[in-house]
Amino acid sequence: KAGVTQTPRYLIKTRGQQVTLSCSPISGHRSVSWYQQTPGQGLQFLFEYFSETQRNKGNFPGRFSGRQFSNSRSEMNVSTLELGDSALYLCASSAGTGGGNSPLHFGNGTRLTVT
Amino acid sequence: AQSVSQHNHHVILSEAASLELGCNYSYGGTVNLFWYVQYPGQHLQLLLKYFSGDPLVKGIKGFEAEFIKSKFSFNLRKPSVQWSDTAEYFCAVTLNTGNQFYFGTGTSLTVIP
Repeated sequence: KAGVTQTPRYLIKTRGQQVTLSCSPISGHRSVSWYQQTPGQGLQFLFEYFSETQRNKGNFPGRFSGRQFSNSRSEMNVSTLELGDSALYLCASSAGTGGGNSPLHFGNGTRLTVT
Repeated sequence: AQSVSQHNHHVILSEAASLELGCNYSYGGTVNLFWYVQYPGQHLQLLLKYFSGDPLVKGIKGFEAEFIKSKFSFNLRKPSVQWSDTAEYFCAVTLNTGNQFYFGTGTSLTVIP
């Protein structure tokens, strides 16, 4: 079974631009979550989608948004980029429908650098 | 809000030394507990998980963790570390009421040959 695929692997953007990151989950997984990973902060939860609906949302500004398509693929968008948005963005999929006992399966991440 | 604490931010050990990484969480209800590992340049991988039953769980690569409910802890242990265990380790918690994972800030382990 193919794992979680994230594209692109690396991105360099300028302040004020916007960016879209893509994630293809493991086949059959309907839950997709996004995390921001930075040194010292660990993994900060952005949002989770299940069957095209946002089920949970973290404490990030409205510049961060996402969506999920009918094939469970997900995209994350960040508008008006700031220097502090530089991070590794991780996507994870899960077979869980709720109850919190299905492990997350992570992709390799997209490394975003904002200059 | 729920929180997960990993008090050891950076641990340096010699090969064959024993390892214990601390993890504490703040939620008083039923939880599911996980340890993930991120080797240099690789994606996060599941080491082990606890849902219910025997509080001592065994994972891959000789790791184990013990759930102590009274202490809200889920510490990770390995009797004898190897150089290849050099990685970042993350503890995570979910609640039975939802699918959101709460992660600790991670512990960076360096094993010296």
